[in-house]
Amino acid sequence: SQQGEEDPQALSIQEGENATMNCSYKTSINNLQWYRQNSGRGLVHLILIRSNEREKHSGRLRVTLDTSKKSSSLLITASRAADTASYFCATEHSSASKIIFGSGTRLSIRP
Amino acid sequence: GAVVSQHPSWVICKSGTSVKIECRSLDFQATTMFWYRQFPKQSLMLMATSNEGSKATYEQGVEKDKFLINHASLTLSTLTVTSAHPEDSSFYICSARDLGGEHYNEQFFGPGTRLTVL
Repeated sequence: SQQGEEDPQALSIQEGENATMNCSYKTSINNLQWYRQNSGRGLVHLILIRSNEREKHSGRLRVTLDTSKKSSSLLITASRAADTASYFCATEHSSASKIIFGSGTRLSIRP
Repeated sequence: GAVVSQHPSWVICKSGTSVKIECRSLDFQATTMFWYRQFPKQSLMLMATSNEGSKATYEQGVEKDKFLINHASLTLSTLTVTSAHPEDSSFYICSARDLGGEHYNEQFFGPGTRLTVL
């Protein structure tokens, strides 16, 4: 499969709790990005982390990257109902400069 | 800046007909554009890489004769689904790589085109 793997596939948490999603990939990358997608809609770019970076923050988002383990995590703190969506990691491959998406995590925030 | 548009945003067609989807970079130039397909409740799958002025590169398992790609200018790539069948119904998303300026070498995604084949 060309996709990376994400886990969990689905996550349901209470509003206000933190949500953590993990992504693993297979090849060397230039960068890794996280996207959000509401049902039936386009992608919303959340954050990009380059291969020489280990951690990045943006508002309630915290992304880590471990290139030795070929993995990344996305943490959403103090979740809100509006965070309900599917989240995808996407890796830009060093060799081909194409972006490959992970399998995605469906996040549901319970009020 | 760095906006990618797609047209149409949705299309319904009869089985056996061909459908063309346009992808435009509105305020930047892109030698490379990418086409993805997304089935319901699934992730985006890369179909092909579109290179301006040359043939597209297709991913394994994607039929090049069925999904025709033309990247005739630095701001426009088109995907034509030929002889469409119901199993081609999907969400088609393009992305474009910025050649220069503030967003050099970054990719930006279009809003997607929903194709329904009856």
